Amino acid sequence: DSGVTQTPKHLITATGQRVTLRCSPRSGDLSVYWYQQSLDQGLQFLIQYYNGEERAKGNILERFSAQQFPDLHSELNLSSLELGDSALYFCASSHRTGSGTEAFFGQGTRLTVV
Amino acid sequence: DQQVKQNSPSLSVQEGRISILNCDYTNSMFDYFLWYKKYPAEGPTFLISISSIKDKNEDGRFTVFLNKSAKHLSLHIVPSQPGDSAVYFCAASEYTGTASKLTFGTGTRLQVTL
Repeated sequence: DSGVTQTPKHLITATGQRVTLRCSPRSGDLSVYWYQQSLDQGLQFLIQYYNGEERAKGNILERFSAQQFPDLHSELNLSSLELGDSALYFCASSHRTGSGTEAFFGQGTRLTVV
Repeated sequence: DQQVKQNSPSLSVQEGRISILNCDYTNSMFDYFLWYKKYPAEGPTFLISISSIKDKNEDGRFTVFLNKSAKHLSLHIVPSQPGDSAVYFCAASEYTGTASKLTFGTGTRLQVTL
């Protein structure tokens, strides 16, 4: 158990809908990362927050947005969903954001868009 | 543009022998490298890391080697055990001054056979 909690574990929704994925980081971790893993692909970096502030952005679609709240939990919002958005979405956390930082991953949310 | 490449999608090794997983990168700004292990339906688990100022780091059965001039790193597992069967991801970190961004390879599926 990494200490990172993601909910829900599974989500099935229709095209055009909007969903929210939730992540609680490890106790004491200030940094949260979101990654997407499509079928047989590597982990694609989406976005990173540190203590409530957006710090880095990857190839995140405009239909996707995220935020980190004062209690440090984070939410990833996916809207106008398409079939191609079906993937595993992972959240990771780390204590800091400097060089040499290991990130610890949650179990992921499997999103299926039908 | 795949900045971190794992060219072998799969590898099969006999129990007790050495497993060598390889990873190449293109971005010379990467300053920290990590290996993660992933079982099906679970999040990636941090395994071992190495700073760009070192060329070797060892932790029990796991050793990571870094060849900066060749932009190549490898993970050695000795001896390999059936429980090591998983997908292994190589990751590289670049610190931008405000954030440390992890870029992952596509993974190598290791199967350790009896």
